Amino acid sequence: QKEVEQNSGPLSVPEGAIASLNCTYSDRGSQSFFWYRQYSGKSPELIMFIYSNGDKEDGRFTAQLNKASQYVSLLIRDSQPSDSATYLCAVILSGGYNKLIFGAGTRLAVHP
Amino acid sequence: GAGVSQTPSNKVTEKGKYVELRCDPISGHTALYWYRQSLGQGPEFLIYFQGTGAADDSGLPNDRFFAVRPEGSVSTLKIQRTERGDSAVYLCASSEQQGYIQYFGAGTRLSVL
Repeated sequence: QKEVEQNSGPLSVPEGAIASLNCTYSDRGSQSFFWYRQYSGKSPELIMFIYSNGDKEDGRFTAQLNKASQYVSLLIRDSQPSDSATYLCAVILSGGYNKLIFGAGTRLAVHP
Repeated sequence: GAGVSQTPSNKVTEKGKYVELRCDPISGHTALYWYRQSLGQGPEFLIYFQGTGAADDSGLPNDRFFAVRPEGSVSTLKIQRTERGDSAVYLCASSEQQGYIQYFGAGTRLSVL
């Protein structure tokens, strides 16, 4: 079992819709969770981070964390074509010196 | 202020050659990380520096890979006797201190022919 798992996609949504991206992790002691956006050929860019159970909102983005079920999700409201990218879920494992463990990423395509 | 700077942006080398990849972190950031990203995969951790010392090098794949950060700022990732399987994008990230957000550089795309 991989430490961080994501569906590779592509996830295709129409412009204006809500995109829902999901991630599961195996280490129950993990404390910190991150969503990075990566455009093709570019470096990862931090979108959201979340440490506590529940929801965290920032503009059109909402991160949701459920530690009991070991999943973290990212919702993108009013999706725009410019949101089309690969979204990487990353976790810092317990005792992990803050090294990020990434999933393989979910490719999101927002079509007009 | 400037972000994380990586040079070169692209490096093409022949199998068996030695390469050095450089990372200049954000000024004042004490923590520095190296990751490697293969096509279609997420970044994979290689090594973490806190100051001048390597706090965690558990991700280095073998002894051909080595990294230094002699003055606690710029870091160099060194790969000896390169193999075609080393071809990937090598990403550097820095953060203010352990536990803070990591900011990534643009990466060095290494191609071993």
